[in-house]
Amino acid sequence: DIVMTQSPDSLAVSLGERATINCKSSQSLLYSSNNQIYLAWYQQKPGQPPKLLIYWASNRESGVPDRFSGSGSGTDFTLTISSLQAEDVAVYYCQQYYSTPGTFGQGTRLEIK
Amino acid sequence: EVQLVESGGGLVQPGGSLRLSCAASGFTFSNYWMSWVRQAPGKGLEWVANIKLDGSEEYYVDSVKGRFTISRDNAKNSLYLQMNSLRAEDTAVYNCARQRESGPGPFDFWGQGTRVTVSS
Repeated sequence: DIVMTQSPDSLAVSLGERATINCKSSQSLLYSSNNQIYLAWYQQKPGQPPKLLIYWASNRESGVPDRFSGSGSGTDFTLTISSLQAEDVAVYYCQQYYSTPGTFGQGTRLEIK
Repeated sequence: EVQLVESGGGLVQPGGSLRLSCAASGFTFSNYWMSWVRQAPGKGLEWVANIKLDGSEEYYVDSVKGRFTISRDNAKNSLYLQMNSLRAEDTAVYNCARQRESGPGPFDFWGQGTRVTVSS
């Protein structure tokens, strides 16, 4: 199984500042035949199911604010929130869908400093 | 509007069985792979199983193989998870999720979940 490791486990950022969450996979998520990276990011707020933010490592889901961006290649990925808003307080998960089972990172809890 | 509504959770003794259901609406159910994803109390997300558009292929995480069975009824726009030989470690909120691709993700719509508690 592909192991997904996020860092840090928790993060406190001031409103308006940049937040960066990292995710590392135990093997490459780049599928050479279509040059796509099988990596997604989700946001989960308390009492709610996860919400898809980013897919194919860098494609923003429809309706997601443009302060959210995803980057990375191969095995190292980053979710960046360019200017933290109060409503961004949540737990963030990366997930690989390159192979079954689709595995998630352990989550990063984002709070306001 | 896409909606996924789970039901069937509850309290069950170890070794017991439950059948979860997920009613889908607002999209052409038969055009999408579907998954079950669970979250144990205070823990992260774990993909459990998925099923192909027509139900002809199913995949499971190792920890539930031989105990859980995923199925679907496209005529009823419904997804199911039959859970047998339940263990304490199966205690979790179970969400059904729509897959955008044929692989195990990404999951673009989620239900609110149904809680399963395995305890004596």
